Amino acid sequence: RKEVEQDPGPFNVPEGATVAFNCTYSNSASQSFFWYRQDCRKEPKLLMSVYSSGNEDGRFTAQLNRASQYISLLIRDSKLSDSATYLCVVNKGTGGSYIPTFGRGTSLIVHP
Amino acid sequence: GAGVSQSPSNKVTEKGKDVELRCDPISGHTALYWYRQSLGQGLEFLIYFQGNSAPDKSGLPSDRFSAERTGGSVSTLTIQRTQQEDSAVYLCASSFEGGLKQYFGPGTRLTVL
Repeated sequence: RKEVEQDPGPFNVPEGATVAFNCTYSNSASQSFFWYRQDCRKEPKLLMSVYSSGNEDGRFTAQLNRASQYISLLIRDSKLSDSATYLCVVNKGTGGSYIPTFGRGTSLIVHP
Repeated sequence: GAGVSQSPSNKVTEKGKDVELRCDPISGHTALYWYRQSLGQGLEFLIYFQGNSAPDKSGLPSDRFSAERTGGSVSTLTIQRTQQEDSAVYLCASSFEGGLKQYFGPGTRLTVL
């Protein structure tokens, strides 16, 4: 089993739709979690951190389920500009060293 | 403020040559990471620097790859005797501390002919 797994998609949705992505991780000692977005031929940019209690930032909601070892990202009222690849990142800490593992990303295409 | 910068933005080299890639992290960030991303692939972790601690080199694919970070700031990634499979985008990221959110540079696109 890969350390971090994501459905590669693509998810093809109309503007205004609600879409959700999941990301599963295998290491139960993982300590911090993030969602990044990456536009074509660009560097990843932080979208949001994921907190144990769940957190929301505008149209975006992130949740963490430690028992089932997955994180999720919900996008409401999708915009054309949301089209990108969404990467989940899981950090495991060992002796003060935090090694991030990136999922391969889920592609989202929002169409008119 | 200034973000993470990398140079060069593009590098074309011949197989067997050595290359050096540079990363300037955000001032005050103690953690610095190197990744590579091949076309259509995910990010592959290479090496992680945290403050003055010894770097975590667990992601380096071979002994042809090395990196250093001088004065806790600028980092260089060196690839010796480049091979065609080294062609990729090499990304650098920094964070205030390890385990926190990372800020990426624009990357260096390396092409080995």
